[in-house]
Amino acid sequence: SQQGEEDPQALSIQEGENATMNCSYKTSINNLQWYRQNSGRGLVHLILIRSNEREKHSGRLRVTLDTSKKSSSLLITASRAADTASYFCATVWTGMTTDSWGKLQFGAGTQVVVTP
Amino acid sequence: GAGVSQSPSNKVTEKGKDVELRCDPISGHTALYWYRQSLGQGLEFLIYFQGNSAPDKSGLPSDRFSAERTGGSVSTLTIQRTQQEDSAVYLCASSGGNGYTFGSGTRLTVV
Repeated sequence: SQQGEEDPQALSIQEGENATMNCSYKTSINNLQWYRQNSGRGLVHLILIRSNEREKHSGRLRVTLDTSKKSSSLLITASRAADTASYFCATVWTGMTTDSWGKLQFGAGTQVVVTP
Repeated sequence: GAGVSQSPSNKVTEKGKDVELRCDPISGHTALYWYRQSLGQGLEFLIYFQGNSAPDKSGLPSDRFSAERTGGSVSTLTIQRTQQEDSAVYLCASSGGNGYTFGSGTRLTVV
């Protein structure tokens, strides 16, 4: 079964606004990653946050992680039309392997549409 | 190569035929993964190769699906006796221990 669940399933905003999406997961994790997918094809890695980190920034992206609530959020600030895509969280979870780069478990994604 | 390469990019096959999908990972990456994504859905894990260890096949949906990785590099995912529900985008990713890089996928359509 999929580890992560994103919400909302879809988000429609205007350029310049911020977009926030959330991800919840079920088991203890090594790290949590966010990916972007355009046009249903290859995924682009956006940012990784480790289980001992609480917040991470990369450009216009801000990710938070709350391991006590088993949840993460992705904030895109000052959104642009080019940010239109599907966003997925994925986890590498502990307990199954000591391999920190074991298989990723993906959520169903949040579809973001940014209108000019 | 510079990225993960998958071929073909699109494949249309008749129900009941066998198909082979190929993945060329980034040179030196020891880990290789196959995922499947149905229309509008998230990614479903299929199989994971790590170095010389036995692959993790826990995600393969049936015994019609198999994969191999030759020489620790190129991987082939084979689907035998394809069914319409096999239609999806099949994504490959590789990792050298510092993040994952995905290919652009193979869109498989079974008619």
